[in-house]
Amino acid sequence: EPEVTQTPSHQVTQMGQEVILRCVPISNHLYFYWYRQILGQKVEFLVSFYNNEISEKSEIFDDQFSVERPDGSNFTLKIRSTKLEDSAMYFCAEHPPGGGGGYTFGSGTRLTVV
Amino acid sequence: AQSVTQPDIHITVSEGASLELRCNYSYGATPYLFWYVQSPGQGLQLLLKYFSGDTLVQGIKGFEAEFKRSQSSFNLRKPSVHWSDAAEYFCALASNFGNEKLTFGTGTRLTIIP
Repeated sequence: EPEVTQTPSHQVTQMGQEVILRCVPISNHLYFYWYRQILGQKVEFLVSFYNNEISEKSEIFDDQFSVERPDGSNFTLKIRSTKLEDSAMYFCAEHPPGGGGGYTFGSGTRLTVV
Repeated sequence: AQSVTQPDIHITVSEGASLELRCNYSYGATPYLFWYVQSPGQGLQLLLKYFSGDTLVQGIKGFEAEFKRSQSSFNLRKPSVHWSDAAEYFCALASNFGNEKLTFGTGTRLTIIP
């Protein structure tokens, strides 16, 4: 089964620093998502991305967050100035055109802000 | 607004016993429903999904789930659990076929005892 690769698997950063989380997509997928899971809590939707544009975002996804797919390859989530409460597991997810099959999730990046 | 409720935070069952994990949803139309499993430190793996048609759906690893519209439920079952089934289980709902933003429940942690 195709895999979605996320890098890094774990990142520790100081508060106020910028971080970029990366996701290597499956080649024919067009719909991309970022979710986060604060330790012990449920998985929360952050943003969906289709055709190189944000299609929907949650209230969590404020101006500190951005997503892009530079040169049509990796799918990235940037947090400009990290806060302690950004510490969480971040998952990218994707599905093929037309959907209907459920997501393929990446293995996640654990972000720790100190 | 749509929501998913998993009433059981933690369930413990003996190996070989049957299992049922509860999931209730709130949504004004027919939802698209999913069950995901998450092993410690891992990403989310799709167990099964319901979109339409037969209300009893079969998934991987011997799991099945039944959609009951009258009860707004989508409970996950397995006739005989194995020690490897110990994990966190998430029920999720999507409202669109295509742009499948997921709303997750809070999860149920499953512990298997010998």
